[in-house]
Amino acid sequence: KNEVEQSPQNLTAQEGEFITINCSYSVGISALHWLQQHPGGGIVSLFMLSSGKKKHGRLIATINIQEKHSSLHITASHPRDSAVYICAVSRGAQKLVFGQGTRLTINP
Amino acid sequence: EPEVTQTPSHQVTQMGQEVILRCVPISNHLYFYWYRQILGQKVEFLVSFYNNEISEKSEIFDDQFSVERPDGSNFTLKIRSTKLEDSAMYFCASNLLNGDEQFFGPGTRLTVL
Repeated sequence: KNEVEQSPQNLTAQEGEFITINCSYSVGISALHWLQQHPGGGIVSLFMLSSGKKKHGRLIATINIQEKHSSLHITASHPRDSAVYICAVSRGAQKLVFGQGTRLTINP
Repeated sequence: EPEVTQTPSHQVTQMGQEVILRCVPISNHLYFYWYRQILGQKVEFLVSFYNNEISEKSEIFDDQFSVERPDGSNFTLKIRSTKLEDSAMYFCASNLLNGDEQFFGPGTRLTVL
């Protein structure tokens, strides 16, 4: 069983829709990271959180430590949000352990 | 805004050849990482580096791999004798503090023929 599981694997939506991507992890963590991978391959960090909720523009990330679950929400989705969204965890040690990613496609 | 840079963006090599992938982390960062992503698979940790030594390495990081910080700016990953299965995107990352947000470079796509 993977340490980090994401759902769904693929998500297609229409512009303007509210998007939710889920991440579950199996062991205790020090922080959870949401990253965005563009079609060219580059990876950008969106959020790092260890409790509660963070918001940046149209993106919101939440985490429930007791349930070992996090969600990434995108409000008023736009075609430029199309990318692979990756959940990763760190456990005190420096390395990140990655989920398999969710491929999001927003159609105009 | 400071960023992590990597060169080359794409490297094609013959099986058995040595390759060196180069990274310039953000200048005041202290922790450095290499990750790789085989096409269609998830990103995997290779090695972390701090204070001029390896702090952690994965099972993937066998004797064919080595890392070095030869000067104050570059961080390199060397693969001594490349195999077909080394074909992947290699990402360098860095952060200032242990456990902090990591900043990724754009990646080097390695193709082994």
